[in-house]
Amino acid sequence: QSALTQPPSASGSPGQSVTISCTGTSSDVGGYNYVSWYQQHPGKAPKLMIYEVSKRPSGVPDRFSGSKSGNTASLTVSGLQAEDEADYYCSSYAGSNTHYVFGTGTKVTVL
Amino acid sequence: EVQLVESGGGLVKPGGSLRLSCAASGFTFSSYSMNWVRQAPGKGLEWVSSISSSSSYIYYADSVKGRFTISRDNAKNSLYLQMNSLRAEDTAVYYCAREGRGPTYYFDYWGQGTLVTVSS
Repeated sequence: QSALTQPPSASGSPGQSVTISCTGTSSDVGGYNYVSWYQQHPGKAPKLMIYEVSKRPSGVPDRFSGSKSGNTASLTVSGLQAEDEADYYCSSYAGSNTHYVFGTGTKVTVL
Repeated sequence: EVQLVESGGGLVKPGGSLRLSCAASGFTFSSYSMNWVRQAPGKGLEWVSSISSSSSYIYYADSVKGRFTISRDNAKNSLYLQMNSLRAEDTAVYYCAREGRGPTYYFDYWGQGTLVTVSS
């Protein structure tokens, strides 16, 4: 099972928006509404930001939103803040055999 | 407060074995599926293995199938990963991660990770 494809980097100025794509196949992203997104700061554990495509856990700012179209999911961070600078990973359920697949990761830089 | 604390990492020679543990607290451990996820130095996340709440369902990534064994002890609120026939490419930080309350597929809480280094 190949990793989901994400752009290596994305950037924006404070207050702007940035959107990260996550491209898979009909066997993972396109086949299930189980896409999740994780934020990881250097040296820290990942943190859940979005689950089931577009749901936000309690405590995650509403500046973070998720969507999906076909085999591609997206994470949008609106109103960028300095603390949003981090690596972001998508993940998808991929069926009973493969179970989970992660994206390649995107480094978000706040200019 | 949900807490997951991994232990057992360290330096091991290729072909060697290591057993990781994850101590859970702050929630009803026996009600949740649990997972191991790893991250090689400077690389992305890789799912390793999942175990259902009652150990009835167990899954492995192809990269570790036949070498790693996941298990849990609900009486001790603990998750384990027995790693045998270790290879250099198994070098990574290993995270214990709780799966969301099912049926669903995401990781809502993560431990701080434990580093496994496979080198001669």
